[in-house]
Amino acid sequence: DIQMTQSPASLSASVGETVTITCGASENIYGALNWYQRKQGKSPQLLIYGATNLADGMSSRFSGSGSGRQYSLKISSLHPDDVATYYCQNVLSTPWTFGGGTKLEIK
Amino acid sequence: EVQLQQSGPELVKPGASVKISCKASGYTFTDYNMHWVKQSHGKSLEWIGYIYPYNGGTGYNQKFKSKATLTVDNSSSTAYMELRSLTSEDSAVYYCARDGNHNYAMDYWGQGTSVTVSS
Repeated sequence: DIQMTQSPASLSASVGETVTITCGASENIYGALNWYQRKQGKSPQLLIYGATNLADGMSSRFSGSGSGRQYSLKISSLHPDDVATYYCQNVLSTPWTFGGGTKLEIK
Repeated sequence: EVQLQQSGPELVKPGASVKISCKASGYTFTDYNMHWVKQSHGKSLEWIGYIYPYNGGTGYNQKFKSKATLTVDNSSSTAYMELRSLTSEDSAVYYCARDGNHNYAMDYWGQGTSVTVSS
């Protein structure tokens, strides 16, 4: 199985800041990577698919990048509403696997 | 509007089975794969498997192959997941999620069904 490692595990930042979450795969996943946002008490929501494509309805303050084994999710101009746990997901080969999550808090 | 409505919380005894439902609306049910995902308390997400409602084809995470069975009822646009031989390790929230046909991304999720295994 492909292992997905996210860092940091938790993150605290101020409103207006830009933050970056990274996701590393145990092997090259050729851009087959999705990002999800899960707010407290809610179901996960698709944020980015195919490493760089913003999902419908999601804010353009979110952007994805990366290739090979290393990927990033950038959140620009942090809003209080961005408080959530973020997960990356490998979809190159089954079983689809998720990273451990990054919990984002506002200072 | 796409909606996935899951069945309510379950409290089940060790060794028993449970069947969770996921009723889809707002789209053509047979056109999209349906995934199931587990989230144990305080842990990350685990992909259980998927089913293609059009022909009932399935794909499972090997870890869950002896634990879960995925089925559909196309007449009611409902997907089901049955979990058997339950132990405390199976206590979790289980989600159904539609595969949006973009890079296997899960674009709509149910609200989750809590399963608690306890005597």
